[in-house]
Amino acid sequence: GAGVSQSPSNKVTEKGKDVELRCDPISGHTALYWYRQSLGQGLEFLIYFQGNSAPDKSGLPSDRFSAERTGGSVSTLTIQRTQQEDSAVYLCASSLGGPTNYGYTFGSGTRLTVV
Amino acid sequence: AQSVTQLGSHVSVSEGALVLLRCNYSSSVPPYLFWYVQYPNQGLQLLLKYTSAATLVKGINGFEAEFKKSETSFHLTKPSAHMSDAAEYFCAVSSDTGRRALTFGSGTRLQVQP
Repeated sequence: GAGVSQSPSNKVTEKGKDVELRCDPISGHTALYWYRQSLGQGLEFLIYFQGNSAPDKSGLPSDRFSAERTGGSVSTLTIQRTQQEDSAVYLCASSLGGPTNYGYTFGSGTRLTVV
Repeated sequence: AQSVTQLGSHVSVSEGALVLLRCNYSSSVPPYLFWYVQYPNQGLQLLLKYTSAATLVKGINGFEAEFKKSETSFHLTKPSAHMSDAAEYFCAVSSDTGRRALTFGSGTRLQVQP
């Protein structure tokens, strides 16, 4: 596609439910990143994919968080047993390679609210 | 390890005035530095990046930033603010030593007063 697409744009869920957030990167971008942006905070790195593998998942805050990428394209971030502190905007970015040469292209994010 | 500090979570300037947004970094190796802008309800957009080619980097929308190694700074400037510059600005660093992700600062919200 022309840009990075994220869905849904907004999600309200009850505490304890599982949620899935989807990211559709730019076609041909091999690198994909997930970040979390909490109110008044900067961007917190969650996980990085190169192709379908995740060489760096050091930012996932707990084992309730997982992510996968299939076909070197679409990625899904899953949060199990959501908690109120999971409320944030989840941003996905993709890149042709590393950020130093190519930079990131960000999606518009998914705003998750846990009530 | 790498980190970014943005001084001032909110900056307010008058239209036509100089914009100065401060960023200091910490990196154990020569860094790559970035400024991103986020308009309301949108993703982040790359303004400019420093990758060691030149210390003064020009970006989009009239913004520029200067890399000063001695001060570990990469401040963002624009000579004359426009109302459309109102947004949140993020400084980011990458040392590209295998960890391919950027580390972002906490952001500075720029307000432009008429």
